[in-house]
Amino acid sequence: QKEVEQNSGPLSVPEGAIASLNCTYSDRGSQSFFWYRQYSGKSPELIMFIYSNGDKEDGRFTAQLNKASQYVSLLIRDSQPSDSATYLCAVNRNYGGSQGNLIFGKGTKLSVKP
Amino acid sequence: DTEVTQTPKHLVMGMTNKKSLKCEQHMGHRAMYWYKQKAKKPPELMFVYSYEKLSINESVPSRFSPECPNSSLLNLHLHALQPEDSALYLCASSQGHGYEQYFGPGTRLTVT
Repeated sequence: QKEVEQNSGPLSVPEGAIASLNCTYSDRGSQSFFWYRQYSGKSPELIMFIYSNGDKEDGRFTAQLNKASQYVSLLIRDSQPSDSATYLCAVNRNYGGSQGNLIFGKGTKLSVKP
Repeated sequence: DTEVTQTPKHLVMGMTNKKSLKCEQHMGHRAMYWYKQKAKKPPELMFVYSYEKLSINESVPSRFSPECPNSSLLNLHLHALQPEDSALYLCASSQGHGYEQYFGPGTRLTVT
C-alpha cells in the first residue's frame, strides 16, 4: 500500500467553483499534514498545514483532517485560473512516536478554466 | 519572512566536474533538507540536518556530499555526477522535525 495517495488528475473546474483535492495516508501515527502548491518549473510552496482533526481555514483555502479515516483534503473556494498548478499532499513519517520526515503524494494537477 | 535562498538557479556540469549548490535561511530554523525532484514526480528526500548535524542520509550515492557550515547555511557538493542526476535540487528548512517545511526556489541541474 502506497503511503500517501492522491488522485493524479487532472482535475478540471470552472472559474469561481470549489475545487476539492483529496489525500489518504497509511501511517496511523502521522500527526502533521501539509498541502503544497507547485507551478510548472517552480519549487513547492506551502499553502496549508493542519495538525488537529477538523477544518482549518485560511482565505479561500480550507484544509480538512479526519485521522480516524486517515484522510486529509483541501478545498479551494472561488477557484481562479492562477490556482492551476499541481497540489502535493505531504504527511510526516512517524518513527516510533517521534516525528520524522515528510512523505509526499504524487500530486494532483488542477486546471481552472476561465 | 519565510525565505530560503538557493544559488545558482541553473547549473550545467560535465561528468568530471566538481561543483557546489548553496542554500541559506534566516528564519532561525534548526532543520534543513536537501531534496531531488525529477519532472512530474514529487520531491525525494536526500539529506536532513538537525542542529547542524547530519541526521538522515536516504542512501544517497557518495557523489553527493552535504555540508552544514552553520545553522543558516547548507551546501551540497557534487562530483562525478551522471546524466541521470539531472533534476531540480531543492533546499528546505523547518523549525524542527514534524513542522512545516519551506522550500527555496531550487537549482536546475543538468549533467552532460
